[in-house]
Amino acid sequence: ETGVTQTPRHLVMGMTNKKSLKCEQHLGHNAMYWYKQSAKKPLELMFVYSLEERVENNSVPSRFSPECPNSSHLFLHLHTLQPEDSALYLCASSQDTSLGYTQYFGPGTRLTVL
Amino acid sequence: SQQGEEDPQALSIQEGENATMNCSYKTSINNLQWYRQNSGRGLVHLILIRSNEREKHSGRLRVTLDTSKKSSSLLITASRAADTASYFCATEDSGGSNYKLTFGKGTLLTVNP
Repeated sequence: ETGVTQTPRHLVMGMTNKKSLKCEQHLGHNAMYWYKQSAKKPLELMFVYSLEERVENNSVPSRFSPECPNSSHLFLHLHTLQPEDSALYLCASSQDTSLGYTQYFGPGTRLTVL
Repeated sequence: SQQGEEDPQALSIQEGENATMNCSYKTSINNLQWYRQNSGRGLVHLILIRSNEREKHSGRLRVTLDTSKKSSSLLITASRAADTASYFCATEDSGGSNYKLTFGKGTLLTVNP
């Protein structure tokens, strides 16, 4: 276990649903990340939070809405998704956003959009 | 844009053999990291090598970095069936944000018992 948990592990939703992904880190880190991993594509960075402030929004569509209420929790709110949004969504954390810190990943949420 | 690119895309070997995976990148970096991912799971950090280092070891892992060729290699010695996973290199670019890791598509390693 890496100290980063994600729930749910699997999610199937229709295009009109609203759902949320949850990530929690037990490492005392100050930075948290959302990544999208699609088949046959490199890992894509979506959002970065440092000390609960968003420092990166990597041109992600507004149907993905992140929330970081404190340094241990990170959410990804989903609404009106498209089938091409089906992917593995990975959360990660690091000590902070400075140079050379290792990122610790959660197990991911496998999302299927019907 | 994609920075690291692993080679080969897939590698199948017998238990006990060594496995070598390569990573090439395009821009100057601060460091390069290797991660491992078991099927459908999260990534696990294996090793970080800084731009001023040439070689690093961790257990059965050996990583080299050649900044003049913009390439790195990951060697796993005496492989085991449990080493079966995808392996990714990730670069922290010197011109970019400190926290931003750029991942390659990965090498799928299969170790046959």
